[in-house]
Amino acid sequence: KAGVTQTPRYLIKTRGQQVTLSCSPISGHRSVSWYQQTPGQGLQFLFEYFSETQRNKGNFPGRFSGRQFSNSRSEMNVSTLELGDSALYLCASSLRGEAFFGQGTRLTVV
Amino acid sequence: AQSVTQPDIHITVSEGASLELRCNYSYGATPYLFWYVQSPGQGLQLLLKYFSGDTLVQGIKGFEAEFKRSQSSFNLRKPSVHWSDAAEYFCAVSSGGYQKVTFGTGTKLQVIP
Repeated sequence: KAGVTQTPRYLIKTRGQQVTLSCSPISGHRSVSWYQQTPGQGLQFLFEYFSETQRNKGNFPGRFSGRQFSNSRSEMNVSTLELGDSALYLCASSLRGEAFFGQGTRLTVV
Repeated sequence: AQSVTQPDIHITVSEGASLELRCNYSYGATPYLFWYVQSPGQGLQLLLKYFSGDTLVQGIKGFEAEFKRSQSSFNLRKPSVHWSDAAEYFCAVSSGGYQKVTFGTGTKLQVIP
């Protein structure tokens, strides 16, 4: 069974640009969560989608948004990038309360 | 609301020594509990999980954890640490089903020869 796939693995963007990250969950998993991980703040919850609906949201500004498609694939968008958005963005798909993580997307904002 | 506390930010142990990483949770009912490990720049890998039944659970890489309801704890242990165990370890809790998983702040493990 294929795991959680995140694309791209690495990304460099310029401050002020926007970026879209993609996550394909494990087949059959309907819940997808996104996390931001930085050395200073650790692992922080961004949002969670279930059956195309956002069920939970972390404490992030509106520049961070996401969506989930009917095939459970999810995208995360960050607009007007700031230097502080540089981080490892992790996606996890869940089944019966157990989260399975992708390898992450390393975003660098310059 | 559910929460997880990992009181130790960094731990250093000698190779071959025993290890215990602490985790305390807050949740009203019987929680689903997890330990994950993360190598630098990588995603999180599940080490072990507790849903119900035997309170001592075995995981991969020789790790085990014990669920103690009276102490709201789920500490991770390993009898003899290997240099390759150096990583960051996260404890997590959920209510099961399709509910959100809440993570602790992580414990970074350093292993010295």
